[in-house]
Amino acid sequence: KAGVTQTPRYLIKTRGQQVTLSCSPISGHRSVSWYQQTPGQGLQFLFEYFSETQRNKGNFPGRFSGRQFSNSRSEMNVSTLELGDSALYLCASGQGAGEAFFGQGTRLTVV
Amino acid sequence: QQQVKQSPQSLIVQKGGIPIINCAYENTAFDYFPWYQQFPGKGPALLIAIRPDVSEKKEGRFTISFNKSAKQFSLHIMDSQPGDSATYFCAASRGFSGGKLIFGQGTELSVKP
Repeated sequence: KAGVTQTPRYLIKTRGQQVTLSCSPISGHRSVSWYQQTPGQGLQFLFEYFSETQRNKGNFPGRFSGRQFSNSRSEMNVSTLELGDSALYLCASGQGAGEAFFGQGTRLTVV
Repeated sequence: QQQVKQSPQSLIVQKGGIPIINCAYENTAFDYFPWYQQFPGKGPALLIAIRPDVSEKKEGRFTISFNKSAKQFSLHIMDSQPGDSATYFCAASRGFSGGKLIFGQGTELSVKP
């Protein structure tokens, strides 16, 4: 089985712009979660989608949003980018509880 | 209550040593405790996980010890190798909360040849 695929791997954006990141989960997995990883804050949960519905949400501002499509693929959007949004954004897929398998991440740099 | 506290922040051992990484949690509703290994430039990889009804679990050279009454769990790496040098994260989740994982801050392990 193919693993979790995230695209693009690297992105450079300017403050104020918006960005969309994509995640293709492992085949058969219905849960997709997103995490932000920074040196200072570590791995922080953004949100989880299960069968196209947001099931959990972390403590991030409304500029961070996501969605999941009927084929379980997910996208994450960040609007009005700030310098502090520079991070590694990780997507994980699973069956909905327990095991979660991560992709390689998208490295976002905001300048 | 949602926090998972991990220690130490960094750890250096000689090849063949047994590094031990500890985690503590507050929320007794947590019922799934995985450990992840992350190499630079890669996403975290699931190593091993345990549920509270078991006190110990071994997979290869990796062992989780779980103390439910103390709300602590730890990762032991037997016969550590330089290739084990990576950052290790513990995490916790509640079954009914789905895929949301609460992570510890990570431990940077270096295994010297």
